Amino acid sequence: DIQMTQSPSSLSASVGDRVTITCRASQSISTYLNWYQQKPGKAPKLLIYAVSSLQSGVPSRFSGSGSGTDFTLTISSLQPEDFATYYCQQSYIIRTFGQGTTVEIK
Amino acid sequence: EMQLVETGGGLIQPGGSLRLSCAASGFTVSSNYMSWVRQAPERGLEWVSIIYEGGSTYYADSVKGRFTISRDNSKNTLYLQMSSLRAEDTAVYFCARVRLGDTVLAYDAFDIWGQGTMVTVSS
Repeated sequence: DIQMTQSPSSLSASVGDRVTITCRASQSISTYLNWYQQKPGKAPKLLIYAVSSLQSGVPSRFSGSGSGTDFTLTISSLQPEDFATYYCQQSYIIRTFGQGTTVEIK
Repeated sequence: EMQLVETGGGLIQPGGSLRLSCAASGFTVSSNYMSWVRQAPERGLEWVSIIYEGGSTYYADSVKGRFTISRDNSKNTLYLQMSSLRAEDTAVYFCARVRLGDTVLAYDAFDIWGQGTMVTVSS
C-alpha cells in the first residue's frame, strides 16, 4: 500500500499569509496526486487534481506543485474562508488519503 | 446539476449488517468509477471501496470480506452492503464520483461528493 504523509498536521496563520502544506508518498505516484478542502460538517471539496491543475471554480490563490513522491499545496494569500482541513490523496495504486492538515486562525 | 445523496445510515449493533445507498442525479453511475470514503469522528478521510465502469471492485484491507460495493443501473444508485460491523466502522460514509483524465493528462480524482450518512456501531 502507498502511504501518504502530510506535514504539518496543523498550523496557525493569519489572513494574508502565504501557507504551504507538504505531502510525501511512500513511492512514486506519477501525476496521481489530488488535494481536497474540508470544512466541519461538510463533504470534502476537490481543489487540485493531477498535482497542479485547478478544479473549476477554485480561486487562483490555490496552487499545487511537485513530482514523484513530494508534493506541495500553496495558498498565496490566506482568506477567512480558507480556514479548513486539507487532505492530499493518491490514486496511483488503489486510493489513499494523507492524514490531513488543519489550518487555524492565528 | 450533478448530485449524490446518501441514505441508509443509523445505529446498528456490533456484528450487524446495514446497506447504504447513494442516489445520483445529473450523470450516470454505470458510466463512471464510483467510490465510498468514510470519516470516523474527529478523524481523517479513509478510502473504503471503488467500483469501476466495467464492474471491477476493490476494497480497503480494513473492510475486505465484510463490505460489498454494487450498483443498480436502472435506479442510477450506488450501494455499500456492510456486514459483521465493528465499533471501528463508526463513521460518516460519503459516496463520490471519480473523474478520470485522458491521454494528455493522467489523473483520477473524486470530483462530486454526497453529503454523507452517519453509521454508528454500538451496543
